[in-house]
Parts: sequence; structure tokens; C-alpha cells
Amino acid sequence: GAGVSQTPSNKVTEKGKYVELRCDPISGHTALYWYRQSLGQGPEFLIYFQGTGAADDSGLPNDRFFAVRPEGSVSTLKIQRTERGDSAVYLCASSLTGGASTDTQYFGPGTRLTVL
Amino acid sequence: EDKVVQSPLSLVVHEGDTVTLNCSYEVTNFRSLLWYKQEKKAPTFLFMLTSSGIEKKSGRLSSILDKKELFSILNITATQTGDSAVYLCAATNSNSGYALNFGKGTSLLVTP
Repeated sequence: GAGVSQTPSNKVTEKGKYVELRCDPISGHTALYWYRQSLGQGPEFLIYFQGTGAADDSGLPNDRFFAVRPEGSVSTLKIQRTERGDSAVYLCASSLTGGASTDTQYFGPGTRLTVL
Repeated sequence: EDKVVQSPLSLVVHEGDTVTLNCSYEVTNFRSLLWYKQEKKAPTFLFMLTSSGIEKKSGRLSSILDKKELFSILNITATQTGDSAVYLCAATNSNSGYALNFGKGTSLLVTP
């Protein structure tokens, strides 16, 4: 079946602009995760959704970052007033049930965000 | 603060060589350790380890966890150019079992 998909694959924006990044998880997966990967680093956890609700948003760096998942499927990561330091690859993952650490997370190809 | 450290950070080998990648961790209430392979952008799942001393194997790849010494190794035998990738190690804890805490990765290049 289809894996996790993310759009756009690349996004270039100017400092101060607003961006939205979309994630379409594997069908039937209730848990969804966002990570951010800077150059030369491993991915860093941002937020975890269980169904429609954000169960843990402790990784969001500040209040310019927000994510939603209104129908428990597709999720959108929203970044306001972008800064050059936000440039990174934003990865989305989904898993079948979430919560338990035995639940494998499957990653999408990511969105490379460049803030000029 | 939880920490995952991988070594080496990069490695160049010839096709046919065997490589060992290392991952050490300091995680409060450790729960599991995972290995992913990242080519281009999407990390793909390789192994999840929760018990010490039990080797997990998939083809030419194998991995084992030592919960006493707090490390894991990933072995790749008879390497091929298609094994070239960044190998990521991640740990989870019991408090937030879902949040993967990644190391910086080991960049492996297999030359013909």
C-alpha cells in the first residue's frame, strides 16, 4: 500500500512569511509524528498526534510553530513569521496505534524548507 | 537529558567489507533502541531492540543490544554500493515511548 506522503517536497520562502507543510499518513494509522532534521543532525521530535488531538507538542520550538490534524488523518504543520533558522527537512511519520514504543514509525520523504 | 551518540560519524569501505556501526545511549527509563537507514530523505526502519543479547537479523544486516553497557551495534556483512546511506540510531524511554531520540547518524559510503 501507499506509504507516508508529504507535500511539497521542497519549499523556498522569504524570512517573515507563513508556510504550511502537509503530511498524509498511511491509511488506518492513528498516530502521526512530526520531526525536524537540520543538516548533519538526526531528526528531532516536534509533535505527536493520537487521532485528532496533539498528545504531546513538547518538541515544538516556539509559538510560531503549530500543527493540526482535524479529521485524524492528514496533518498540516504551520510556521508563522519564518526565520532562517527554520531551514531544515521536516519529516512526518505515522504508526498504527501510537503510544507504545513497540509501534514502528514509518517516515515520509520529508519537505525541505529553505528560508531566505 | 537523554542522549544518543553514534560512531563513527562517517565511514568509507570497499564493496565486500564488513562494517560495524556503534550507538551508545544515556536514556532515563530506557525502553527500546531502533535503527533506521536514511537514503536521500526518508528514514526506513531496520530493527527495534528491547532485550539484551538477542541478535536481530535481516539478510546481511544484524544488530544487538547491550543494556548493561548501554550500547548497540549494527553489523553489515559483504557490503554493497546500495548500502551507502546514513544509518540512524534512536532510543525511546518509558515516559514518552513514541518520541524517537536520534543520534547524529553514521554516513556510510561503500565504494566499488
